[in-house]
Amino acid sequence: AQRVTQPEKLLSVFKGAPVELKCNYSYSGSPELFWYVQYSRQRLQLLLRHISRESIKGFTADLNKGETSFHLKKPFAQEEDSAMYYCALGGTSGSRLTFGEGTQLTVNP
Amino acid sequence: DTAVSQTPKYLVTQMGNDKSIKCEQNLGHDTMYWYKQDSKKFLKIMFSYNNKELIINETVPNRFSPKSPDKAHLNLHINSLELGDSAVYFCASSHHSTPEAFFGQGTRLTVV
Repeated sequence: AQRVTQPEKLLSVFKGAPVELKCNYSYSGSPELFWYVQYSRQRLQLLLRHISRESIKGFTADLNKGETSFHLKKPFAQEEDSAMYYCALGGTSGSRLTFGEGTQLTVNP
Repeated sequence: DTAVSQTPKYLVTQMGNDKSIKCEQNLGHDTMYWYKQDSKKFLKIMFSYNNKELIINETVPNRFSPKSPDKAHLNLHINSLELGDSAVYFCASSHHSTPEAFFGQGTRLTVV
């Protein structure tokens, strides 16, 4: 079974501070991990996929298979980063995404 | 614009009514989904269709019936609406070779 855990429902930081949104997963096969972002009352947008190893809007995430984690990090948070962030797990090709419960990030001025 | 689009964006209706939400994607994907986002912002998959065939049907009341006339469309019909059906419903699509999904803008359903 696929399972994604985001332990923090709410996370509040000040502008310019580092931010880390935690994500742990459980999956017996070879996982594909994603981070999606949802700005207020908008659609979910893909932020990062682990296979790309890219940095988007200053965010990075590294897949740690030993710790079964895919934490999202940004060294200097901006106010416009305030949003809901979902970690998502997909399995082998064709399987659907399983989402974590989401972390609401608030970046204060 | 290449996208997943769903209509209507907002839907307010009375208990007991029947309503439909439409979804269309022009991304050339062969898999489409319906997700429900509840008041706590939890996202749960409801249905998945691949090439017009039902692949996933999670524990959803049978008042909810998806219909896929072709692989670019996946509509959701809901009978006898209840207060607990109030939520945001998201349509999404993906290519069969990847679970990466593209989402519509959501339909905010309010049952009064």
